[in-house]
Order: sequence, then structure tokens, then C-alpha cells
Amino acid sequence: EDQVTQSPEALRLQEGESSSLNCSYTVSGLRGLFWYRQDPGKGPEFLFTLYSAGEEKEKERLKATLTKKESFLHITAPKPEDSATYLCAVQAYSGGYQKVTFGTGTKLQVIP
Amino acid sequence: EAQVTQNPRYLITVTGKKLTVTCSQNMNHEYMSWYRQDPGLGLRQIYYSMNVEVTDKGDVPEGYKVSRKEKRNFPLILESPSPNQTSLYFCASSYRRDYGAAEAFFGQGTRLTVV
Repeated sequence: EDQVTQSPEALRLQEGESSSLNCSYTVSGLRGLFWYRQDPGKGPEFLFTLYSAGEEKEKERLKATLTKKESFLHITAPKPEDSATYLCAVQAYSGGYQKVTFGTGTKLQVIP
Repeated sequence: EAQVTQNPRYLITVTGKKLTVTCSQNMNHEYMSWYRQDPGLGLRQIYYSMNVEVTDKGDVPEGYKVSRKEKRNFPLILESPSPNQTSLYFCASSYRRDYGAAEAFFGQGTRLTVV
């Protein structure tokens, strides 16, 4: 069974205090790993896609990396507007199905 | 404006009364999917569709039906809703037919309560 585990569940940072969120996964037939941001009361918003170990993607203060067993979302010098829940998802091909499995997310709060 | 539109946004219904949640996208995307989001369980995929007339089960398909008769629409049908289907539902679409979770656009969500 595909599993995606995110840690920590919640993270509180001071503005400017850099940190990393973790997404570990157990899946056979990985097609891709995805990061999303979700604000309260809204649908997830796409951030990054990573396809293979060693790949990195950057966008403003965010940088996503991928290894064979986990992914990290690094947040450099965060601002209060970065406060949100960050979701990790994997897409796998198994038995003729292309399924998407999400983690439960890391709730980030950035204090001014 | 590129968007995925779900209706209704909020719905309270009674056990056993059939309902349909509509989903429409204006981006000509091939891949569409339905998820439910529950506290502590995260987003779980219900059904997905890689093309018109092609649908497949996700992780939690029991109690749900879908159809994809047109590219833009992907309704979610609950034939006999039960209280354990009370949840927040999201529809999503992606231009990536083979990587449906890549660069997916999500709707605003439908909060369903079954009493």
C-alpha cells in the first residue's frame, strides 16, 4: 500500500527563520512527487513536480528536493504570507491504475 | 480565467437522498479527479478520469459514482449518501493526462454534510 508521511505536523517559525519540511514515501512504481500549498477554506495550489531522485525545483523562497525515499521543502527566510498547510503527494502506476496519494500535510505558521 | 468550478459549495442532505456534485473546468484538460479531505486523513482520491468515457477507481471509491461524457465536466454522484460521507470534496483537473497530480488545478471545494 502506498504511504506518504509528512513531518512535522505543525511548525511555527519567526519571520526570517529558515527551515525544512519533510515528506517520506513508500510507493512502488513512482511516477512523480508533488508539493501543494493549501490556505484555509481553499483548494490546494500547485507548487512543484519532481520526477527523479536528485531533482531540485525552486520558486521564490521555496526549494523542493527529492531522494529515493523522501522529499524536502526548504523555506528560506519565510514571511507571514508563507503561512499555510503544505501538502505532499505521490503518483504511482500499479496494476493498471494511476493513483495519487497525499500526505496529511504540515501546517506552517510564520510569526512577524 | 482558468478555473475549476464546483457546485454546490455547501450542501446538507439526509441519508439516502441521491445527490450530484458538479465539476466543470475551462482549460481543456484531459485528466480530472475527485478527492475527499477529512481531518487527520488528508486528501484521498475517489475516482479519476484520463479522458472522455474513461474512469478509474482511486483509493476510496465505495459509495460514489462518476461519469465523463464531456471533456469539461466530471460530476460526482452519491446514490445513497450516508453520514460517513460527510466531508470536504475537491475536484481537480490537469493537462497532464499521464501525471494527473502534476500542475493540477483544484476547485473551491464542496462541504457536504449527511444527517
